[in-house]
Amino acid sequence: NAGVMQNPRHLVRRRGQEARLRCSPMKGHSHVYWYRQLPEEGLKFMVYLQKENIIDESGMPKERFSAEFPKEGPSILRIQQVVRGDSAAYFCASSPSGGGNGYTFGSGTRLTVV
Amino acid sequence: GQQVMQIPQYQHVQEGEDFTTYCNSSTTLSNIQWYKQRPGGHPVFLIQLVKSGEVKKQKRLTFQFGEAKKNSSLHITATQTTDVGTYFCAGRAGANNLFFGTGTRLTVIP
Repeated sequence: NAGVMQNPRHLVRRRGQEARLRCSPMKGHSHVYWYRQLPEEGLKFMVYLQKENIIDESGMPKERFSAEFPKEGPSILRIQQVVRGDSAAYFCASSPSGGGNGYTFGSGTRLTVV
Repeated sequence: GQQVMQIPQYQHVQEGEDFTTYCNSSTTLSNIQWYKQRPGGHPVFLIQLVKSGEVKKQKRLTFQFGEAKKNSSLHITATQTTDVGTYFCAGRAGANNLFFGTGTRLTVIP
């Protein structure tokens, strides 16, 4: 029973390029959450999705960031025209319902913008 | 907006000593969860507390939820080197999303 799968583990992008981060939730989990973690800091909520729906995107920057969770396939966090400040670890978590029994996190994608 | 603060930010202990981290929310929480993140790793769910004044134990770890449901604590008895990592509390107010605390990084000196 595979856990939450995120890829790539490490991603290097030049300023101005696009970054696509993928997350496949645990089998049976229909709720996906994205968090960003800067070095030596906590986890900042970005977006909460269910299949084909964005439930809460209050933590997403208004520009350049978007997320989706299509009917088929993984959830995608997309960052357009990346800047140095986007460098961080991006964690995806999933839960079977609203997370009442805790979230299962993936191993994260470490994005470095050069 | 909802804020969850943790203290201390860092803690160094000698192996065998006890360790406690405290979590405080600016709003009343419907529940609180605790996670552990090893260096270079990802957060791993430890436990959830729901009831006012609730206390739960996992081996050497004791978790407590305050009577007012605005604070929580995690206490580790007789720390071991395997306890190294950052401990996060995460609170939820109503049906809102989970907001993580700032974390306490624990270093255990052998």
